[in-house]
Amino acid sequence: GQNIDQPTEMTATEGAIVQINCTYQTSGFNGLFWYQQHAGEAPTFLSYNVLDGLEEKGRFSSFLSRSKGYSYLLLKELQMKDSASYLCAVREGADAGKSTFGDGTTLTVKP
Amino acid sequence: GAGVSQSPRYKVAKRGQDVALRCDPISGHVSLFWYQQALGQGPEFLTYFQNEAQLDKSGLPSDRFFAERPEGSVSTLKIQRTQQEDSAVYLCASSLGVRVSHNEQFFGPGTRLTVL
Repeated sequence: GQNIDQPTEMTATEGAIVQINCTYQTSGFNGLFWYQQHAGEAPTFLSYNVLDGLEEKGRFSSFLSRSKGYSYLLLKELQMKDSASYLCAVREGADAGKSTFGDGTTLTVKP
Repeated sequence: GAGVSQSPRYKVAKRGQDVALRCDPISGHVSLFWYQQALGQGPEFLTYFQNEAQLDKSGLPSDRFFAERPEGSVSTLKIQRTQQEDSAVYLCASSLGVRVSHNEQFFGPGTRLTVL
């Protein structure tokens, strides 16, 4: 099975940079996803890492270290609309199968 | 738009009642997933289909839960004899298919089930 750990809550200031960490312990690994979920809404895809290193996409970047079972999501130039829950999810199998989600990190952006 | 749709959006059931939740995935998406999300927690995997085949149902919490996707498109999650602990948001997601690099999941808006 999978164990995925993320901080429960984080607070940051508009315009700043924030890093949300995720650690995982898995029996198998075939990619790590980050999703954003606003309150009362469905999760939406942010990033995907399967190899070690940094993936950059606009204001958002995601890093993976498979040997350490560690990932982080980096959000730059924070905006008020970035206030949301950020979910780390690990895909176990070799195909499109099951992903296990962490409980999410609730980020509050303050003016 | 052509996103994932779910119905009903809200369902209130009396304890012991049967409910059926519907999911319409994105057209052409091979994979379909059901998740249960309790307040303040991440989505918990329930089951996964590839076309009409149910490849993994390890997350279904009991034999009261049953899912089907008979024609490889629309899926229904059925909960029999609902209990209060079944109260949650049920999310459906679809993805393009197997062995695709990203293969991110596209989520529907969810069905919020409240069992009284």
